[in-house]
Amino acid sequence: GIQVEQSPPDLILQEGANSTLRCNFSDSVNNLQWFHQNPWGQLINLFYIPSGTKQNGRLSATTVATERYSLLYISSSQTTDSGVYFCAVMDSNYQLIWGAGTKLIIKP
Amino acid sequence: DSGVTQTPKHLITATGQRVTLRCSPRSGDLSVYWYQQSLDQGLQFLIQYYNGEERAKGNILERFSAQQFPDLHSELNLSSLELGDSALYFCASSVGGSSDTQYFGPGTRLTVL
Repeated sequence: GIQVEQSPPDLILQEGANSTLRCNFSDSVNNLQWFHQNPWGQLINLFYIPSGTKQNGRLSATTVATERYSLLYISSSQTTDSGVYFCAVMDSNYQLIWGAGTKLIIKP
Repeated sequence: DSGVTQTPKHLITATGQRVTLRCSPRSGDLSVYWYQQSLDQGLQFLIQYYNGEERAKGNILERFSAQQFPDLHSELNLSSLELGDSALYFCASSVGGSSDTQYFGPGTRLTVL
């Protein structure tokens, strides 16, 4: 089945820094989503981005489907950005396959 | 607030018992998904229902079952519980099929003692 790998596994930054999170997937997909799980466990959908680039405030994402990777950019980090960021792709059985996540800690 | 509700928020029970987790999707959403998040397995897709019918099945154990009712709310039944079933169980909903954006509920934290 499809393998989803996220890097880095952990990231510690100072408030105001920028970061790039990466998601590699092993097969072509037509559905890729980025999620943020906050420290209280809530999962929030950030982007639905099977290809191309999208921006939402300080967050943006780019998926290069032909090269099987997606990037999530966070600019001017705030402490509320802390949590775990997941990438999930849909396989041929219409199941979302999740990466292990990137744990982000933003220090004040 | 995603608009997806789950009850209960926490559940503590003993091995061998049976529990029912409930989920109400966002208004207008026809699809409901169930996921399990455990420390050792990460996030795993369990099952999807679309307008009352099972649409896709993932890594769902035979001891687990689910259904979606005519009012579109869903229940996940877990029986013969084991210690390893302790996890956070999420419900998500989307407007239509699996290619749509999924919105997640707050989850039910199950602890099996």
